Formats: sequence, C-alpha cells, structure tokens
Amino acid sequence: AQTVTQSQPEMSVQEAETVTLSCTYDTSESDYYLFWYKQPPSRQMILVIRQEAYKQQNATENRFSVNFQKAAKSFSLKISDSQLGDAAMYFCAYRSYYLSGGGADGLTFGKGTHLIIQP
Amino acid sequence: DVKVTQSSRYLVKRTGEKVFLECVQDMDHENMFWYRQDPGLGLRLIYFSYDVKMKEKGDIPEGYSVSREKKERFSLILESASTNQTSMYLCASSFTGQGNEKLFFGSGTQLSVL
Repeated sequence: AQTVTQSQPEMSVQEAETVTLSCTYDTSESDYYLFWYKQPPSRQMILVIRQEAYKQQNATENRFSVNFQKAAKSFSLKISDSQLGDAAMYFCAYRSYYLSGGGADGLTFGKGTHLIIQP
Repeated sequence: DVKVTQSSRYLVKRTGEKVFLECVQDMDHENMFWYRQDPGLGLRLIYFSYDVKMKEKGDIPEGYSVSREKKERFSLILESASTNQTSMYLCASSFTGQGNEKLFFGSGTQLSVL
C-alpha cells in the first residue's frame, strides 16, 4: 500500500515571501499521479496542482510550483509571493496511474500542513 | 462547474442512532467517494462506488455502510453511531476516463456523536 508523509504539521510565512511545503511518498509503482489540495476555512477542498509521474517537467500553476524528485519520492510545493488567501490546510495526495478492476480509486492523502500567512 | 452537495454542514446525533449522510453530484460522474477527516490524521477513505449499486471498501470501512441507488447520489450510513465516529465527512466524485484522476469535493459534514 502507498503512504504519503507530510512532516510539517504547521508552517508560517510572511506575506509576499516564499514558502515550501514538503511531501514524501512510498510506492513500488512507476506510474502514478501526485496532487496538492488546499482546504481553506470554508472546508472546500481545492486542487492546487497535479503532477504525472511519467513527466519529468515540474508542474506550475501561477504562483504555485512543485519540485518533483521521482528517485527520492519527494513532491514539495513552493508558493511564491504568499498572499493572505493562501492560508489553509494543504494536503499532498497520491493515486495509482492504473485503476483497480472497478475503474475507480480514491486518493491516498498525507496528514496535512497548516499554512499560516503573517501580514 | 461540478457541484458536489452534502445535505448537512453540521449534524449532532446521539450514541446508538442510525445516521444517514447524503451526497449528490450534478455532473454524471461514475465514481463517488466518502472520506473521513480528523486532525492530525488527514483524509482516510471509507468507501467508494464506481457505478450504481456497486461499492468497494476503502481503508476504514468498519462501522459504516453505503448505498448508491442512483448515479448522482451516494449515502454514507452509520448503523449505530458511536462517539469515535465524531468527525468531518467529505464526499467526492470523479468521472471514469482521461483526466479521471481529479476528485471534486463537497464542503463536508461535521458530525458530532454525543
């Protein structure tokens, strides 16, 4: 079974600065997807960024980028120019590329990192 | 936009009660999921369904059951609620096909069992 580890329960950053959230995972598979989800106080889970393991290029979405190190099984999220609206719980998640027989698989989530933005 | 609606935002129940948590999605997604979220534990998969009347156990199915009689609706059932089932419950859906790896989430139901 796959596991996802987020070693930072809480992180704090000054507004406009850059912060990196860490995520490592354990899998024996070679093809898979990795995700970062954001959960603000509204509780609505929002997909921030997605990475396919077979792509070497790191995914980027505006101020959000990842550092994907497949050999090290590491998938960190960098938030540049932090804004107050970035304050949230951030979850790293994993999903196998190939689905089990039913055609659906849930994501495996880490325990989350609470990101605080200091004004 | 895809909408996943959970019927209750907050729910308070007594120990031993039968509890139904309802989830409806409006995008004709084949797959639906129930997760439980606890502080310090992240999200854990309870059950999922890939078609009407089909269900699969997730990582923590004990004490729960599910029902999917219609494609758009996925119900989580606590047959006899216990205090250790006090938690946030999140429903999600996805479609089968290219790009199916993305989950769309509801806003969660905070359940308190007293």
